[in-house]
Amino acid sequence: DGGITQSPKYLFRKEGQNVTLSCEQNLNHDAMYWYRQDPGQGLRLIYYSQIVNDFQKGDIAEGYSVSREKKESFPLTVTSAQKNPTAFYLCASSISITVQPQHFGDGTRLSIL
Amino acid sequence: AQKITQTQPGMFVQEKEAVTLDCTYDTSDQSYGLFWYKQPSSGEMIFLIYQGSYDEQNATEGRYSLNFQKARKSANLVISASQLGDSAMYFCAMRGYSTLTFGKGTMLLVSP
Repeated sequence: DGGITQSPKYLFRKEGQNVTLSCEQNLNHDAMYWYRQDPGQGLRLIYYSQIVNDFQKGDIAEGYSVSREKKESFPLTVTSAQKNPTAFYLCASSISITVQPQHFGDGTRLSIL
Repeated sequence: AQKITQTQPGMFVQEKEAVTLDCTYDTSDQSYGLFWYKQPSSGEMIFLIYQGSYDEQNATEGRYSLNFQKARKSANLVISASQLGDSAMYFCAMRGYSTLTFGKGTMLLVSP
């Protein structure tokens, strides 16, 4: 079945450590997105990518980095510069940046040890 | 800038009854789209329904319908014949040129 796979489901980070969240899609979608969700809140956009080798900052990009070397993959790195990384992270994709809806993965829950 | 407001933090409904979840929006764009997503306790976001700003008829998808009132800038979700499995967070979102802006969500609890 086509879909979006995020891994791991749960992730723990030590202070000062970088961690990378994986997002893979087999929907042949050009556009991919990363969102952060805090308890009781809506989703906030971290980064998005319209096409391979291109990505743009969203509303809360500080402390995060991404790459888009392959169409299927859009990994998110949470760097040590992100002072409050504990959150639920959701990856999404859409056919193109202007054609919605976005389809979501099951999310990764990141916690600080 | 776009803004989505969901004023109901939580809603309760009995099984088999209809429920309306409110969503108002603000945008200066002439062309935009409005979405509703469901988020069960497991965390995934499930797309429910979409309404384009130029669509003249209200969108419907099974038990879901979108009550779109453009002049009032509202896009309320109506769930008919609620089921226990409808208990979840519901998010309204708006599409600008390239990205989605989400509201803070409404928690719906369906009781037997």
